[in-house]
Formats: sequence, structure tokens, C-alpha cells
Amino acid sequence: DAGVIQSPRHEVTEMGQEVTLRCKPISGHDYLFWYRQTMMRGLELLIYFNNNVPIDDSGMPEDRFSAKMPNASFSTLKIQPSEPRDSAVYFCASSPPDGNEQFFGPGTRLTVL
Amino acid sequence: AQSVTQLDSQVPVFEEAPVELRCNYSSSVSVYLFWYVQYPNQGLQLLLKYLSGSTLVKGINGFEAEFNKSQTSFHLRKPSVHISDTAEYFCAVSALPSNTGKLIFGQGTTLQVKP
Repeated sequence: DAGVIQSPRHEVTEMGQEVTLRCKPISGHDYLFWYRQTMMRGLELLIYFNNNVPIDDSGMPEDRFSAKMPNASFSTLKIQPSEPRDSAVYFCASSPPDGNEQFFGPGTRLTVL
Repeated sequence: AQSVTQLDSQVPVFEEAPVELRCNYSSSVSVYLFWYVQYPNQGLQLLLKYLSGSTLVKGINGFEAEFNKSQTSFHLRKPSVHISDTAEYFCAVSALPSNTGKLIFGQGTTLQVKP
């Protein structure tokens, strides 16, 4: 298995632009998590899905952030409009049904100018 | 609710020396415990986990951790570190019995191995 796949690996955009981050979880995993990592705040859970359904989105910082999981093999995290304070590394992770281990993708480094 | 405290933000150590990275947690229910490692510019990778059974857990790359329920700790140890162990280490917990797969992470400890 190729592991969790994220794209793009790097994104540089200007303030006000829409940003879409993509994630393909490991086949057979039914949990999917989106995290944000910054020096100041560490690793934060933004939202997670179980069987494509959002379970807990309490970590989503603002209405500018939205996440979808239209099917078991694809999820997106969208920021619209983006702001410089959104600059961070965004990780996607997936977990099998027993939920005993999360497998992380390589991350997307987002820079908002 | 659960919380995790990693007591050291940075741990410098010389190559081939032993190391201990400390982790304490708080929870009103039983938990699963995890240590993850993050190498520069990479995602997190599982080092080891405690689900049940023996309180001494062995993981990859020669690391081990001991679950101490009375002290609510899960410290990570390695008897002899290598330069390649330089990385960020995260302790995490998930709550039982309704394990949703959600993990609570500590703030991380940077292990700096010097030659």
C-alpha cells in the first residue's frame, strides 16, 4: 500500500485566495483525520470522519475552513478565503476500524502571503 | 476529557548515551497510549503503543516505554541513541471504552542527538 497520500506537498498562495488540500486514505481505513501543525500551537485536530461522515469538527478554527469526504478514498480541506495566519503544515491521517493506530500522510506545507 | 503533558520541550543528548522522554497523561477513564516520531519534513510515524497486557512495550528502532497507571505516566526510553534518532517525539492518548480513534497529542519533545 502507498500509505496516506496528500497533495499538493507545498502550496504558496496569496491572502484571500481559495486553497484546497487533498487526501487519499489507506484502503480499508474508515477513519480520516485532518490536523494542523504550527510552532506556536503544536499539532491540532481540526476534524475527523468515520465512514465518510464528519464526527467531530470542533477543532475547525473558523467558517473559512470546510472539509468534505465524498467517498471512502478521498477527502478535501478547503480554506476560503485564506489568511497569513493559516500558514502551517496540514496533515491527513487514516485509521482502521479498530481505531488503534493512525497512519499519517507526508503533509502539505501551506504558505499564505 | 483527556490531556497529555510532555515534560521536556527539548532533550539534548550525546550519541550512544541513554535517553528518557517523559509523558504524563490525565484521564478519568482507561486509555490507550502511543508514542509517535516525526523526522524533519515528514509525517508522524508510530513508534509503539500500549493497549493492554504487559506494561513494558517495545517498539521500533530500539525504543521502549513503560505504562505506569499509578503515576499516569508513559515514559519513552532508549539505552543508546544514534544521530539518526534526532527528531520530534509525540506522546498521545485515546480514551476507552468508546474508542473513536481520536487521539490527544502532547506538545512534543525535540530529541537532539549530538556526536
